[in-house]
Amino acid sequence: GENVEQHPSTLSVQEGDSAVIKCTYSDSASNYFPWYKQELGKRPQLIIDIRSNVGEKKDQRIAVTLNKTAKHFSLHITETQPEDSAVYFCAADRDNYGQNFVFGPGTRLSVLP
Amino acid sequence: EAQVTQNPRYLITVTGKKLTVTCSQNMNHEYMSWYRQDPGLGLRQIYYSMNVEVTDKGDVPEGYKVSRKEKRNFPLILESPSPNQTSLYFCASSLRFGQLNYEQYFGPGTRLTVT
Repeated sequence: GENVEQHPSTLSVQEGDSAVIKCTYSDSASNYFPWYKQELGKRPQLIIDIRSNVGEKKDQRIAVTLNKTAKHFSLHITETQPEDSAVYFCAADRDNYGQNFVFGPGTRLSVLP
Repeated sequence: EAQVTQNPRYLITVTGKKLTVTCSQNMNHEYMSWYRQDPGLGLRQIYYSMNVEVTDKGDVPEGYKVSRKEKRNFPLILESPSPNQTSLYFCASSLRFGQLNYEQYFGPGTRLTVT
């Protein structure tokens, strides 16, 4: 079955630097890859997603890249700010219906002022 | 206000005492899911539903039941809770995948402790 690995598990950066989190997946049938941000004590919230017919997607300071051949996708956050500090989860949709997901274990990002 | 609600938010119970966690959404979403979140393991899907009366097992369905009798509600039932079901539970809902505004919305979470 599908397995999603996520690295690193923790990441500390200085404010203003960039942060990159990488995920790899095992099932080549996966076609939808969302990223969620979860602040302490809060619910996960979608921050960006990408579908397999697209190699890159940007939304202001956040971007996601997808390499279907290598089966990995990455989250890029530029000009990091303290409010970016949170746990970030990647996920892959197993059945292409946007309902059966497997999540990575999460990356705790700390942005140091 | 568009939202996913869960009740209760916190629950401490004893082994074997049946309980139900309710989930309701007011966005007319077709899809609903239940996840559990444990440290170091991320979110693991328990059950999901693509429509009324249609449910499927996720990765960790053992010890749980669900039902989808109405579009807006998707309760999670633990018939005989055990300590290994102590976890943080999230309900989520979304439109059908092909729709323009597809996004999975999560409820606020239910922290369950089974002693």
